[in-house]
Amino acid sequence: DAGITQSPRHKVTETGTPVTLRCHQTENHRYMYWYRQDPGHGLRLIHYSYGVKDTDKGEVSDGYSVSRSKTEDFLLTLESATSSQTSVYFCAIRAGSSYEQYFGPGTRLTVT
Amino acid sequence: GQQVMQIPQYQHVQEGEDFTTYCNSSTTLSNIQWYKQRPGGHPVFLIQLVKSGEVKKQKRLTFQFGEAKKNSSLHITATQTTDVGTYFCAGKARETSGSRLTFGEGTQLTVNP
Repeated sequence: DAGITQSPRHKVTETGTPVTLRCHQTENHRYMYWYRQDPGHGLRLIHYSYGVKDTDKGEVSDGYSVSRSKTEDFLLTLESATSSQTSVYFCAIRAGSSYEQYFGPGTRLTVT
Repeated sequence: GQQVMQIPQYQHVQEGEDFTTYCNSSTTLSNIQWYKQRPGGHPVFLIQLVKSGEVKKQKRLTFQFGEAKKNSSLHITATQTTDVGTYFCAGKARETSGSRLTFGEGTQLTVNP
């Protein structure tokens, strides 16, 4: 789907450790997004990017940072993971001039 | 900030019954989208509605956008087991810059064969 991959697909880490999730796309899309999905909350936007080195915060950005040094890669970093950050993380891209988004397969992160 | 509410949260139906999920926004939307997520999968784009009062159909699925562009619905006629999953609406508020979407909490549909 839209050439989006996420790595790792699963990760278990301990509280207080840094974690970086990677989203990679192959089709040169300008807009990329990071969401977290938790039961009862749907998809909540963490950060998004509208170009290389251009990023902005979403509704749940506290405790997360992002970087985009190349068009194809959008990294999400948890500087010091907490148990409340246990979640499924989805990366998405916006396709073309429409607002429709296409999602990667997701990363399941468990913080113990 | 913008809120998008979706009801019901869960719906269990017998195969062949109809299903409807409703989406309501706290602000006027410039467009609304619908996504489907199968269990264990990722959200998949279904459709986008842009015009006030717009109705679109995809086989057994009917999507509507309200006249005031603050609500939407998805109706499935004669559900099948392949319809199982969570259906999300997502809206872009008119006053929001960029391309941010706000997602509803989703309606989880189970279909008993």
